[in-house]
Amino acid sequence: QVQLQESGPGLVKPSETLSLTCTVSGGSISGYYWSWIRQPPGRGLEWIGYIFYSGDTNYNPSLKSRVTMSVDTSKNQFSLKLSSVTAADTAVYYCVRRWSAAGQLDYWGQGTLVTVSS
Amino acid sequence: DIQMTQSPSSLSASVGDTVTITCRASQSISSSLNWYQQKPGKAPKILIYAASSLESGVPSRFSGSGAGTDFTLTISSLQPEDFATYYCQQTYSTFPEVFGQGTRLEIK
Repeated sequence: QVQLQESGPGLVKPSETLSLTCTVSGGSISGYYWSWIRQPPGRGLEWIGYIFYSGDTNYNPSLKSRVTMSVDTSKNQFSLKLSSVTAADTAVYYCVRRWSAAGQLDYWGQGTLVTVSS
Repeated sequence: DIQMTQSPSSLSASVGDTVTITCRASQSISSSLNWYQQKPGKAPKILIYAASSLESGVPSRFSGSGAGTDFTLTISSLQPEDFATYYCQQTYSTFPEVFGQGTRLEIK
């Protein structure tokens, strides 16, 4: 059974960089796309982007200037960096496996709340 | 970019009812449409992919249909565990894979 676990600081100061890592267990990171989704408290889901295990990326245009995703196949991990954060970036961040064909998101991490505050 | 509009935004129904949620894309997305269920405090769960394919392990009372710009999620014979929020998501080509705004299904 594939499992994903987000890790990283739960509190980030405004203007700083949010950094999260997702560790994949029970399966290989190779051969798949890996996504980041976020959800502000009480609101809907927002697609941040995805990265292929080879490193190809596709980012949400509204966040593209601030987002960097990377993958480390040796550690079975992938990562998200979001720069110049503001309070509007406060959200639960999910890491998710994305199927290549239909793009459905089938395995989700439990989510981690990141709060942007001084 | 493609916009996804879900309706209704909320819905009240009773156990045993059949409900339909609609998702409309701002341009054709072929059959590149997925449906998710989310319960409070939990990660979303995939129900339907490619507009009409039922994810393994999902009860058959969930069904999806549509192509192009108009899609529906139908839940037949509602069960107590079905009361949740539902989201559509488009995954067409390399466009941003946006979600609909969600439909909250509540017990009447």
